[in-house]
Amino acid sequence: AQKITQTQPGMFVQEKEAVTLDCTYDTSDPSYGLFWYKQPSSGEMIFLIYQGSYDQQNATEGRYSLNFQKARKSANLVISASQLGDSAMYFCAMRERGVTGTASKLTFGTGTRLQVTL
Amino acid sequence: KAGVTQTPRYLIKTRGQQVTLSCSPISGHRSVSWYQQTPGQGLQFLFEYFSETQRNKGNFPGRFSGRQFSNSRSEMNVSTLELGDSALYLCASSLDSRRSEQYFGPGTRLTVT
Repeated sequence: AQKITQTQPGMFVQEKEAVTLDCTYDTSDPSYGLFWYKQPSSGEMIFLIYQGSYDQQNATEGRYSLNFQKARKSANLVISASQLGDSAMYFCAMRERGVTGTASKLTFGTGTRLQVTL
Repeated sequence: KAGVTQTPRYLIKTRGQQVTLSCSPISGHRSVSWYQQTPGQGLQFLFEYFSETQRNKGNFPGRFSGRQFSNSRSEMNVSTLELGDSALYLCASSLDSRRSEQYFGPGTRLTVT
């Protein structure tokens, strides 16, 4: 079973509009973290936002916010006031601590390609 | 603060050769992870190093190996290259606290011919 599912291969949004990128996850680890990264065509992965499984409030970073619904195991990224420079691939990722609590690796979804139009 | 750096940025190798990629983490970061990104398989975890010890390993053959030095710099080695090893190899560093984010470098694009 996929641990991270991003069901939208591509999305279009008009400049200045808001857009939601979907992400659902699957884990039995009570301690986990959820991340969103942006990957422009240059290839570099740019960290956007983080949500811990025990965080009480939804994370926000500037124009980015994470709609965390723990019971539904979803962690959707909301980008407000889209800009042309937001056009890129967006990846949702999860980090699980595991039994030892020391190991960490990111499991990525397949990504969503966002295109911002005029 | 300087970001994660990776060298070289681009590399072309021939089947059967070996290659070494280098990653310098953000100053103060002790955890370094490596990922392979291909169009077919997406982003896959290779391994993670912390304080010169491999803490976690993904499902890759033994041809893929790595190490970390006392200054936290890390190298990744791929021996007996295959065409399927052509990929973008990304290195990420983190402080390794419970909430630590992983910051990625620009990647090394390896082409095997």
